[in-house]
Parts: sequence; structure tokens; C-alpha cells
Amino acid sequence: SQTIHQWPATLVQPVGSPLSLECTVEGTSNPNLYWYRQAAGRGLQLLFYSVGIGQISSEVPQNLSASRPQDRQFILSSKKLLLSDSGFYLCACTDFGKGSPLHFGNGTRLTVT
Amino acid sequence: AQSVTQLGSHVSVSEGALVLLRCNYSSSVPPYLFWYVQYPNQGLQLLLKYTTGATLVKGINGFEAEFKKSETSFHLTKPSAHMSDAAEYFCAVTGGYTGNQFYFGTGTSLTVIP
Repeated sequence: SQTIHQWPATLVQPVGSPLSLECTVEGTSNPNLYWYRQAAGRGLQLLFYSVGIGQISSEVPQNLSASRPQDRQFILSSKKLLLSDSGFYLCACTDFGKGSPLHFGNGTRLTVT
Repeated sequence: AQSVTQLGSHVSVSEGALVLLRCNYSSSVPPYLFWYVQYPNQGLQLLLKYTTGATLVKGINGFEAEFKKSETSFHLTKPSAHMSDAAEYFCAVTGGYTGNQFYFGTGTSLTVIP
């Protein structure tokens, strides 16, 4: 089964600083990869998903971007963080196949100060 | 289009009482349905899923859910609540081939009263 590694677990960054969150997946190949954000006490917001290397779909216009340089690596970036970027960021993956569930990493708690 | 509605953002039950968390969905294709649990500062963990076949699905930690197509529902139940069940629960739907989006409800926070 898949294992998703996310790091760091927590991050405090000042407004205007850059961001790079990394997610790697083990135990599968050619997965679909997702970045979600969860604001405090809120549900999940899909930010980006990818069905293959270099293929990124953006769901919400914002100052974040995503890249998939390798099959099992998914990176979330920002050039200049905003206060509103604070939240809990979750990487997820799913295998190809009908009904395959999403598997989530343990998340990164980002606080922009 | 697909969407999920979870009725009740907060549910409180006594320890040992029945847990019922409601989920209704809309989908233009045969749905695949999921329940996830999230503990504080952790990712989401799959509780159970419905794809095809038996409409009553059993999951981990004693939870189960029943797919009712006529009611477009997928409610989560557990006969007897335990203190360790206190968490956030999310219902999700997807349809067709993976690569489609997963649509999540806004979540239900379950409190278990000792």
C-alpha cells in the first residue's frame, strides 16, 4: 500500500517569504497526486492535482503553484506568502482504477506571521 | 457534477450510544463513496468505501455505512461510541475513473461524552 511522506510537519514563515512543501509517495507508481488545504475548522479545499509528470491542474487561483518533477514527487510552492496562506496542507495520492480511495500524508501546519 | 452534504457540523453522543453521521451526495454518474476520519493535526484516514456490490459496507474501528441509492445517502454508523471515536469525519464522493476530483463534505466533528 502507498505511504506518503510530507515535510516539514510544522512551519512558521513571515509574510512575503517563499514556500516549498514536498511530498513523496512510496509503494505505487504513476499515482494521481493532490494538494489540499484545510483552514482552521474548515473542510478540505483542493488546490492542485496531477495525473502525471509535469501535468498540473489548478483548482483555485492564488499565489501558490505546484510541480511534479518526478513520478512520485509533488511540490507546493509560493514566491511570496500571504497571511491567508496559513493552514494545514495535505498531500494525497490515489492509484489508477475505479473506486481507488485517496490516501493522505500527515500534513504540514503552515503559519504565516 | 458531484457534491456532498454532511448534515450537522457538530454531533455529540454519550459513550456507548449509537453514532450516526449523515452524508448525502449528488452525482451524475454511479458514485464511489468514502468516509474518512481525521484526528487533530493528522491527515485523513480511510474508514470505509463503497464501490460496487453489497450496499452495507463495514470499515475499521467498528464503523459501517449503507449506500442507499434511492435516498442518495451514505450515512455512517457505529453501534456503541468509544471515547477514542472523538474526531472529525468527512464523507467524500468520486465517480468514473480516478483522475477525477474527489468531492468532500465540510466535515462533522464528533464529541463523545463520558
